[in-house]
Amino acid sequence: DAKTTQPTSMDCAEGRAANLPCNHSTISGNEYVYWYRQIHSQGPQYIIHGLKNNETNEMASLIITEDRKSSTLILPHATLRDTAVYYCIVGRNFGNEKLTFGTGTRLTIIP
Amino acid sequence: GAVVSQHPSWVICKSGTSVKIECRSLDFQATTMFWYRQFPKQSLMLMATSNEGSKATYEQGVEKDKFLINHASLTLSTLTVTSAHPEDSSFYICSARDPQAGVETQYFGPGTRLLVL
Repeated sequence: DAKTTQPTSMDCAEGRAANLPCNHSTISGNEYVYWYRQIHSQGPQYIIHGLKNNETNEMASLIITEDRKSSTLILPHATLRDTAVYYCIVGRNFGNEKLTFGTGTRLTIIP
Repeated sequence: GAVVSQHPSWVICKSGTSVKIECRSLDFQATTMFWYRQFPKQSLMLMATSNEGSKATYEQGVEKDKFLINHASLTLSTLTVTSAHPEDSSFYICSARDPQAGVETQYFGPGTRLLVL
């Protein structure tokens, strides 16, 4: 079973920051938080991951709370192409460790 | 990021035939690849974990004799759906783990849509 809880859907105005929350209250000390997104009829796209520090890359920022029980993915300036299902996944992602996908958040960017 | 390709991107076949789907890591060597299946409006469900040179590990409820997985090289894994039936129609997605990309980031292929008539 997925170890994360995300809102089913969210809307965000184009050009605004999209903030996607994720709860992972049972995360273990050595588990990372990963974010992927899936645009319709495509394979998931890796966005970002983190352990306990906040992370930023060219796509997004990841804010992880100090207790690591929740995190927020931030898309700083959402565009229409950011419309997708966003998956928050916790796991160790090495060797044969598998990532379990939950239902994700369907983000719709409104023009 | 690393690139994973799948071939074919879509396939239509008759019931009872077998279909092979290829998954390739194009610019890295992947000791571990994964196969997922996704039905409409549902999330990805892991089918099996594929390790180069060894037998795949299947998830509970996935028939290993129906979904044959071969990982013969560090850049290629194949999934063969044997004796396909309409209920096998789905979106099949592979992923590969890049051990050089920090915490072994997992990259996904574009998916293969299978329709069994």
